[in-house]
Amino acid sequence: AQTVTQSQPEMSVQEAETVTLSCTYDTSESDYYLFWYKQPPSRQMILVIRQEAYKQQNATENRFSVNFQKAAKSFSLKISDSQLGDAAMYFCAYRSPLSGTYKYIFGTGTRLKVLA
Amino acid sequence: SAVISQKPSRDICQRGTSLTIQCQVDSQVTMMFWYRQQPGQSLTLIATANQGSEATYESGFVIDKFPISRPNLTFSTLTVSNMSPEDSSIYLCSDTVGFVNTEAFFGQGTRLTVV
Repeated sequence: AQTVTQSQPEMSVQEAETVTLSCTYDTSESDYYLFWYKQPPSRQMILVIRQEAYKQQNATENRFSVNFQKAAKSFSLKISDSQLGDAAMYFCAYRSPLSGTYKYIFGTGTRLKVLA
Repeated sequence: SAVISQKPSRDICQRGTSLTIQCQVDSQVTMMFWYRQQPGQSLTLIATANQGSEATYESGFVIDKFPISRPNLTFSTLTVSNMSPEDSSIYLCSDTVGFVNTEAFFGQGTRLTVV
């Protein structure tokens, strides 16, 4: 069974600085997708970034980028120029087409605090 | 996009009663999912709501406790039955258009407190 691990329950970053959130996963599949979701105090889950496993190029979305290491099964999220609005819970998620259900497997989450 | 309207946003219920949570999507979606989330913790999938057929439940969740309906492609309900304080949690619904690489959209969650 696939598992997703986020080893950092909580992280802090100074405003305008850069922070990296870690995520590792375990799977025997070769075709899958990885996502980072953000959940602010409003509870509204928002997609931050996604990565297809067959793509070697790391995904980027403005201030957000990933370091995808397929062999190491690692999928870290880098937030540059951190802003107060980035404070939230961040969840790493795995999704595979092979299950046929398209359900997500979520990590345990990392709470990011942004210090002014 | 497939924006979800979820209600109620919160409720306080007496033990032994039931609560039905509704999710309305603004477009037709293939799959809808129901999650439970303890505050500050991860999301645990309860079941996948299939249109026109029985929901598919994850291990540890049963239909008698969490009956789900999905009468069409834009609407689903989750009922938490015969509630106990252990059912106090946040319940979220989510949808996807059915492609594995597409993002999922989530409702804003229902914070349930059972007293």
